[in-house]
Formats: sequence, C-alpha cells, structure tokens
Amino acid sequence: GESVGLHLPTLSVQEGDNSIINCAYSNSASDYFIWYKQESGKGPQFIIDIRSNMDKRQGQRVTVLLNKTVKHLSLQIAATQPGDSAVYFCAENGRTSGGSNYKLTFGKGTLLTVNP
Amino acid sequence: ETGVTQSPTHLIKTRGQQVTLRCSSQSGHNTVSWYQQALGQGPQFIFQYYREEENGRGNFPPRFSGLQFPNYSSELNVNALELDDSALYLCASSRADTQYFGPGTRLTVL
Repeated sequence: GESVGLHLPTLSVQEGDNSIINCAYSNSASDYFIWYKQESGKGPQFIIDIRSNMDKRQGQRVTVLLNKTVKHLSLQIAATQPGDSAVYFCAENGRTSGGSNYKLTFGKGTLLTVNP
Repeated sequence: ETGVTQSPTHLIKTRGQQVTLRCSSQSGHNTVSWYQQALGQGPQFIFQYYREEENGRGNFPPRFSGLQFPNYSSELNVNALELDDSALYLCASSRADTQYFGPGTRLTVL
C-alpha cells in the first residue's frame, strides 16, 4: 500500500551546519516525490521535487537524494540558518482514484530546530 | 507566497453544526485538492476537484463534500461536525502534478 514515513521526528542542529532529513516510502511504483517545509501556523511550502528517473537534484542550499533500491530519500540543507527551523515533510505524489490527476501522501514530518 | 488563498483563517463551531471553507487557486491552476491536517500529523488527502467535478477521494465520509466553480475556486463543506474534525484544512492548487498550498483554515469543533 501507500505509506511515506520519516526516520526521525526531531532534528536539532547548530547554525551553519548541514542538515539531513530522511524519509522512507513503501510503494515501489512511486515515481515523483516532493519535499515541503511547514512553518508554524502556515501551509506547506514547496522546497524541491525529484522524479524516479533521477538520483539527485539540487536547488538553492538544498539537495534531494533518491535511492530507489531501498526506497529512501533524503533532504540535505547546506549551511542551515535559523529561518530553516520548521517541520519538513516528504510527500509521494500518486494518482487519485479517478486516475486523471495527482494526490499527495505525506508522512508525519521531521521538526528541524536550528540553534544560534 | 503561492497565490493560493483560503478563508476564513480561523473558525469555531460546535458539534453537529455545518461549515463551509473556501479556497481560491493560483492563477492558471485548474485543479484544487483539499487536505486535513491534525495536530502533529501530516496532511491527509480529502478529495480533489478538476473541471468542476470530484476527481479522486481519500478515506473521508460523505459528510465531507465540495464544489469547484468555473473560476477554479473551491469550497469544502463538512456536515454534522464531530470533535475529531478539529484540524487545519489545507487546499492546494495545481495545473500539472506539483501542488502549491494555501495558508489553511484552522477549524475548532467544541
């Protein structure tokens, strides 16, 4: 079935360090994944996505790695800043039951705290 | 900012009442999806609207219903509110497969 889960519920890092947030998924047919950042009281904010034909994708200070063999993806944040403090979700983007569009399946999230 | 707006921001209702939440999609986006996010959890898919019709539904009872209008905006209606319906309700708009979220409506059921 579909499920997306996270290895660690909380992560605390020092400002300037690199952060790594991990995520496991169970549906081997999944072909599109998105990382979202959610600050307190706000909706999820798109960070970066990756499709199954890629192993790595880089954005501004963020990198997502996808390992299809073990059904695992990770989000790396370089030079973590206090503004990066938030809950991070990985989400699997799969077809709806109607078949013509997409729905997101989220895990519980990882709370990232950046200490000054 | 994603350009997706939701109203109201907060809402308090009592058990058994009905509620309507509203969402305006980002310009050019023809699909709206609704999610329920309980405290400390990830968002759960409720349903999706495309071309004014429901296009996929999650594991939610029929008292959760919705509409999409010709301008692609959408409403989520919940009848016979229960205490467990207290949550953040998120809408997300999309044109292809990437969804962009609004700020959410915080619903409290007493």
